[in-house]
Amino acid sequence: GENVEQHPSTLSVQEGDSAVIKCTYSDSASNYFPWYKQELGKRPQLIIDIRSNVGEKKDQRIAVTLNKTAKHFSLHITETQPEDSAVYFCAARPGSARQLTFGSGTQLTVLP
Amino acid sequence: DGGITQSPKYLFRKEGQNVTLSCEQNLNHDAMYWYRQDPGQGLRLIYYSQIVNDFQKGDIAEGYSVSREKKESFPLTVTSAQKNPTAFYLCASSLQGGVDIQYFGAGTRLSVL
Repeated sequence: GENVEQHPSTLSVQEGDSAVIKCTYSDSASNYFPWYKQELGKRPQLIIDIRSNVGEKKDQRIAVTLNKTAKHFSLHITETQPEDSAVYFCAARPGSARQLTFGSGTQLTVLP
Repeated sequence: DGGITQSPKYLFRKEGQNVTLSCEQNLNHDAMYWYRQDPGQGLRLIYYSQIVNDFQKGDIAEGYSVSREKKESFPLTVTSAQKNPTAFYLCASSLQGGVDIQYFGAGTRLSVL
């Protein structure tokens, strides 16, 4: 089955700096890659997603890049703010499956 | 935040006891999912259902059971066979079982007495 690895497990940045979280996947047939943000004590919420026919997608301060050849995708957050502090999860949907496989999560802390 | 309701928010299980976690959605979504969240391990899929009266095992189904008698409801039973049930349980739903966005409930935290 699909295996998704996420790095780093923890990340601290100064407010205003950029943050990058990376994920690799094993199934070359995977075609959908969402990113979820989970604030402390709250439910995960989708922040951005990308499909395999697109290399990059941006939404204000957030962007996701996908390298299908290398089988990795990354989340980029620019001009970080304290409210960006949360756990971020990447996920992949194998081409033959209907469910998502999640990475282990990254605890992002934005220091004021 | 509405649409998917999980109850209770906190649940305690005695040894040898079965407990049932509720998940209800009013989004008219076809697919529903149960995940277990442990520190440092992300979200692991327990069971999922694409349509009423049908469900499939996920990666960690042992010790759990589900039913899908109604489109709106997908309860999860943690049986006495699950020896390490302490975790945060999340229910999710999506319009279809494909690439559609999954929306999550607020979760149930289960602890063992």
